[in-house]
Amino acid sequence: AQTVTQSQPEMSVQEAETVTLSCTYDTSESDYYLFWYKQPPSRQMILVIRQEAYKQQNATENRFSVNFQKAAKSFSLKISDSQLGDAAMYFCAYRSTVDDKIIFGKGTRLHILP
Amino acid sequence: KAGVTQTPRYLIKTRGQQVTLSCSPISGHRSVSWYQQTPGQGLQFLFEYFSETQRNKGNFPGRFSGRQFSNSRSEMNVSTLELGDSALYLCASSLNPLNSYNEQFFGPGTRLTVL
Repeated sequence: AQTVTQSQPEMSVQEAETVTLSCTYDTSESDYYLFWYKQPPSRQMILVIRQEAYKQQNATENRFSVNFQKAAKSFSLKISDSQLGDAAMYFCAYRSTVDDKIIFGKGTRLHILP
Repeated sequence: KAGVTQTPRYLIKTRGQQVTLSCSPISGHRSVSWYQQTPGQGLQFLFEYFSETQRNKGNFPGRFSGRQFSNSRSEMNVSTLELGDSALYLCASSLNPLNSYNEQFFGPGTRLTVL
């Protein structure tokens, strides 16, 4: 069975600095999707960025980018120029292309220090 | 477009009761997925409905069930409530089934407390 591990329950970063959230996963599948979701306090969860496993190029969305290392089964999220509005719980998720089930990591709570 | 809406937002029930939660997807979205979020277990996939059919189901007991109507609105039912069912229940909608590269849009959730 697939698993997703986020080893950092909480992290803090100074405003305007860069922070990297780690995510590792375990799977025997060769094709799958990976996602980072953001859940701000008392607000709805939104998709931050997604990556298809067969694509070598790392996905980027404005200040958010990923470092996808397929062989190492690692999918870290880099947030550049951190802003106060980035404070949230971040979830890494894996979606199988075999049974379409989605597995989430336990989340990393990110604090932005002014 | 209006976002995903969930009703009610908060609910308090007692053990043994049953509860029905409702989710209205974004207009035009035909896939609705349900998730349970708890501090201990995190986010867990419950099931997905597409075109009124359950496409996929997570590892939850049969007390958890759902359905989808012709207008894509979905309901989730939990029977014989247990204390451990206390959680935030999230609904998410997407244009197409989860086997496509579609973004899911989440609702605000229903906070269920079982006493």
